[in-house]
Amino acid sequence: EPEVTQTPSHQVTQMGQEVILRCVPISNHLYFYWYRQILGQKVEFLVSFYNNEISEKSEIFDDQFSVERPDGSNFTLKIRSTKLEDSAMYFCASSETGPFLYGYTFGSGTRLTVV
Amino acid sequence: GNSVTQMEGPVTLSEEAFLTINCTYTATGYPSLFWYVQYPGEGLQLLLKATKADDKGSNKGFEATYRKETTSFHLEKGSVQVSDSAVYFCALRGTGGGNKLTFGTGTQLKVEL
Repeated sequence: EPEVTQTPSHQVTQMGQEVILRCVPISNHLYFYWYRQILGQKVEFLVSFYNNEISEKSEIFDDQFSVERPDGSNFTLKIRSTKLEDSAMYFCASSETGPFLYGYTFGSGTRLTVV
Repeated sequence: GNSVTQMEGPVTLSEEAFLTINCTYTATGYPSLFWYVQYPGEGLQLLLKATKADDKGSNKGFEATYRKETTSFHLEKGSVQVSDSAVYFCALRGTGGGNKLTFGTGTQLKVEL
């Protein structure tokens, strides 16, 4: 069964450093997403991406965050200058169409720890 | 805005017990409703969904019925197994356009022999 692959599975970074979280969506999917879950809290929507541009973003997704599909297969989330409160599990997802019909396929997540 | 409320966990059951995990939602119109499951070390997997009132989603022995009158989408299974131990997330997609999902906090289920 096709999978969404995320790397790394764990990342520790110092406050103020830039991090890039990587995702390889399912190859024929058209929509890509990032979500995050701070420990013990809800899974929160960050951003959706379609046709090489952001289609929707949340209030969390401020100027410190950016997304890119650099080469037609990878989908990345960059955090420019990490803060302690960015520590969370970050999930990438993709879908053929909106989740209304099929739901997303999620990756296993990247646990980001900012120290 | 949209929101999803799930019962607190962890829920601990013996094998073959009956499971209910409560989920209620707040949204305008007729959202689509989902249950996702996360097994240890894995990603979120779609378990079942319902897209209109009175629809029943079902998969792997799990069921949930979209109840518009009570704004609920409770997850049930008649006889749980140890392999059902996981975290279960209720989620909705609103009717305002866009593809984002709004999740509950998740409920951890532990099934013991």
